[in-house]
Amino acid sequence: GAGVSQTPSNKVTEKGKYVELRCDPISGHTALYWYRQSLGQGPEFLIYFQGTGAADDSGLPNDRFFAVRPEGSVSTLKIQRTERGDSAVYLCASSPDREKGYTFGSGTRLTVV
Amino acid sequence: AQSVTQLGSHVSVSEGALVLLRCNYSSSVPPYLFWYVQYPNQGLQLLLKYTSAATLVKGINGFEAEFKKSETSFHLTKPSAHMSDAAEYFCAVGYSSASKIIFGSGTRLSIRP
Repeated sequence: GAGVSQTPSNKVTEKGKYVELRCDPISGHTALYWYRQSLGQGPEFLIYFQGTGAADDSGLPNDRFFAVRPEGSVSTLKIQRTERGDSAVYLCASSPDREKGYTFGSGTRLTVV
Repeated sequence: AQSVTQLGSHVSVSEGALVLLRCNYSSSVPPYLFWYVQYPNQGLQLLLKYTSAATLVKGINGFEAEFKKSETSFHLTKPSAHMSDAAEYFCAVGYSSASKIIFGSGTRLSIRP
């Protein structure tokens, strides 16, 4: 597609539930990034994929968070046993080359109640 | 550790006045530097990037930034502010040895009529 697509745009879930957030990057972009942005803060790095593999997952806060990119295009961020502190906007970005900067999607606003 | 500091969480200028948003980074190796803008309820958009070519970088919407190695700075400027410039601005730094871009905490720019 023309841009990075994220679905859903909004997700409200109950504490303890499991959620999946989807990212469809720009066609041909081999690098894909997940960030989390809390209110009033800058984006915080979660995980980076180069192709199908997670090249850097050092930003995942704990083992409740997991992400996959099985075919090197679409990625899914999975959060188990959600907590109220997980509420944030989850941003996905893709890039052909780190030096060129990222193209961000519009994000998924996750609210855990 | 890689880091970027944005001085001033909120900057307010009059329409037509100079805009100056400050960004300093920590680095022991040549960085890649970026400015992103986020309009209300929208995703992050790349304004401009520095990747070791010209030190004065021109971006979209009349913005520019100058890389000053001696000051480890990459301040964003615009000669004359427009009402439409009101947004959140994020400075970000990347390194060839790292897999991710690190974002600052952001500066909210307000424009007074």
